[in-house]
Amino acid sequence: GDSVTQMEGPVTLSEEAFLTINCTYTATGYPSLFWYVQYPGEGLQLLLKATKADDKGSNKGFEATYRKETTSFHLEKGSVQVSDSAVYFCALTTGTALIFGKGTTLSVSS
Amino acid sequence: NAGVMQNPRHLVRRRGQEARLRCSPMKGHSHVYWYRQLPEEGLKFMVYLQKENIIDESGMPKERFSAEFPKEGPSILRIQQVVRGDSAAYFCASSSGTSGAYNEQFFGPGTRLTVL
Repeated sequence: GDSVTQMEGPVTLSEEAFLTINCTYTATGYPSLFWYVQYPGEGLQLLLKATKADDKGSNKGFEATYRKETTSFHLEKGSVQVSDSAVYFCALTTGTALIFGKGTTLSVSS
Repeated sequence: NAGVMQNPRHLVRRRGQEARLRCSPMKGHSHVYWYRQLPEEGLKFMVYLQKENIIDESGMPKERFSAEFPKEGPSILRIQQVVRGDSAAYFCASSSGTSGAYNEQFFGPGTRLTVL
């Protein structure tokens, strides 16, 4: 079945460091891809999305490009801030339900 | 402009009791989804409902779990005779279901169920 694999955390960075969180997927159809962020005690918020190959989703300095040839959707940010500390989930859908990776905890220190 | 509301935020039950989790979708949304997050796991889809209809329950355990979304009032996820393995965070999401192949799902803050 369809699945999402993302790098395990925690990822610990200093403020202004470069961030990459890897995400790869397996899907039988043509999925839409997402990154969600979960701050402590809160629900998930959509961070960015891409609906077809080569699309680049971007928001709040975060970017991810839908790479069909490598079945990947890696999340990047050029300069992280303490406020980016959260759990990040990669997800896909080919229909209704979202299929999530296990999440990657990011901790940014000043 | 209230988002998706879930209550209670924390629920403690003893083994064998019933747990009822409530979800009020965003205003104007008629589609509700329930997900479960077990410790150290990602969210797993459980069920998708529209008003008065269960559309997809492929992720629901076969026994003890049920869900409804009545014409009036919140969606309810009901777990009968809870066991320790039911301890998890349960998230509800809603969407408008009016456009495109994918309708963005907006998530509530979750209900954290602890079974003693």
